[in-house]
Amino acid sequence: DTEVTQTPKHLVMGMTNKKSLKCEQHMGHRAMYWYKQKAKKPPELMFVYSYEKLSINESVPSRFSPECPNSSLLNLHLHALQPEDSALYLCASSQLQLPYNEQFFGPGTRLTVL
Amino acid sequence: AQSVTQPDIHITVSEGASLELRCNYSYGATPYLFWYVQSPGQGLQLLLKYFSGDTLVQGIKGFEAEFKRSQSSFNLRKPSVHWSDAAEYFCAVGPAGGTSYGKLTFGQGTILTVHP
Repeated sequence: DTEVTQTPKHLVMGMTNKKSLKCEQHMGHRAMYWYKQKAKKPPELMFVYSYEKLSINESVPSRFSPECPNSSLLNLHLHALQPEDSALYLCASSQLQLPYNEQFFGPGTRLTVL
Repeated sequence: AQSVTQPDIHITVSEGASLELRCNYSYGATPYLFWYVQSPGQGLQLLLKYFSGDTLVQGIKGFEAEFKRSQSSFNLRKPSVHWSDAAEYFCAVGPAGGTSYGKLTFGQGTILTVHP
């Protein structure tokens, strides 16, 4: 299985809502990533987990809260988002031996914040 | 700091024509280089990668890329474009060692339009 799955595909939420994005992979990868992508822009790295521990946080606002409950799952909890947080959120995974930056991406969750 | 430049924001070609998408990188050592493709509203799919060895690499969907160290380039080519190749293409560079795993640097992307 060489697939990264993400749910939901689309999410619309108000600024006071709490929601979560889910990502799953079964490739045995021990690094997982969250990216944010605005229209016509490249993906921007948000978080990196390695061995289920947060290893990189690219100064992301606290209204985004990542969680890695096990080696196959990655969640992104959302709370009190702003309209400018509307974007495509991509999950990726990779192995932790070189070439670890060969990342496999999921299809993304299209988030709209009203 | 590493950087990637894709000089062409938008390229239009006719179906059946050849294609070359340009990518230049700035990096202090030999990097790992990637080309990804993204259809509208979709995730990124890896087309091909260069780590070492033969500087001409073959990828999926009939794409190839050539690593030229002297020009700091990693251009993507396809001899005959199909309408289904219309998408956005991202060149990316990553460190070939150290603790900066995950730190892919992407170019700004090139949107490819294919005319019938």
